[in-house]
Amino acid sequence: DGGITQSPKYLFRKEGQNVTLSCEQNLNHDAMYWYRQDPGQGLRLIYYSQIVNDFQKGDIAEGYSVSREKKESFPLTVTSAQKNPTAFYLCASSFQGAQYFGPGTRLLVL
Amino acid sequence: QKEVEQNSGPLSVPEGAIASLNCTYSDRGSQSFFWYRQYSGKSPELIMFIYSNGDKEDGRFTAQLNKASQYVSLLIRDSQPSDSATYLCAVLLYNFNKFYFGSGTKLNVKP
Repeated sequence: DGGITQSPKYLFRKEGQNVTLSCEQNLNHDAMYWYRQDPGQGLRLIYYSQIVNDFQKGDIAEGYSVSREKKESFPLTVTSAQKNPTAFYLCASSFQGAQYFGPGTRLLVL
Repeated sequence: QKEVEQNSGPLSVPEGAIASLNCTYSDRGSQSFFWYRQYSGKSPELIMFIYSNGDKEDGRFTAQLNKASQYVSLLIRDSQPSDSATYLCAVLLYNFNKFYFGSGTKLNVKP
C-alpha cells in the first residue's frame, strides 16, 4: 500500500531534550512538508522540501530542523530552542499540486 | 489580510440537509482549490479539488468556484452525522508554488 507514515504516534519530550519525528512516504512524491497544528487552530508551515538535499524554512521554522537525504524520508527535529513544542505535527507530500497527509505525531512536554 | 479565510463555525445542519461551506481567498493568482476534512484528533483528508476553470461534483460533494468574488464553496448534500468534522480550504498559487490553508470550519450534522 502506498502512503505516508509518521512515527511515533505520541512523543514525550523532557526539558532541554531534542526529539526527532519520522516521516516516510512511498508515493514517489518529490515535495514534502511539515506542519504544526495547535488545538482549535489551522496549519502552520514549519519546513518544506521540493527535492532531495534541499529544503526551505516555512513560517515558523525557529526551534526546528530538518534533513532530506532520501526522497522517501523527511525527518523533523524539535530542538530544545523550541520553547512551546506541544502540538500535533503533520507531515505531507504533494503530487500535481495536492497535498496528502500522514497520520500525525502528537508531541507532549513532560 | 490572510490569504485564505473561513468562518470557524460551528455550522449546524440537520441530518439530510445541504451543508454549505465557504472560503474566501485574497490572491487572484490562485489556480487550484482544495477541500480537506479533518475529524477530531486525526489528520486532514483530501476530499475534493478543483482548478480555476470550473466546478466539480463527486457523489454528495460539490465544489464551486466564484472567481469574480474570490470565494470557493463546498456543498454537502444529504448531510450525515458522519460528515461532522472540520473542513479546511486550501489554495495553490502556481507562480510561487505556495500552498495556503484556511483555519477551517467546524460542521455539526445533527441526527
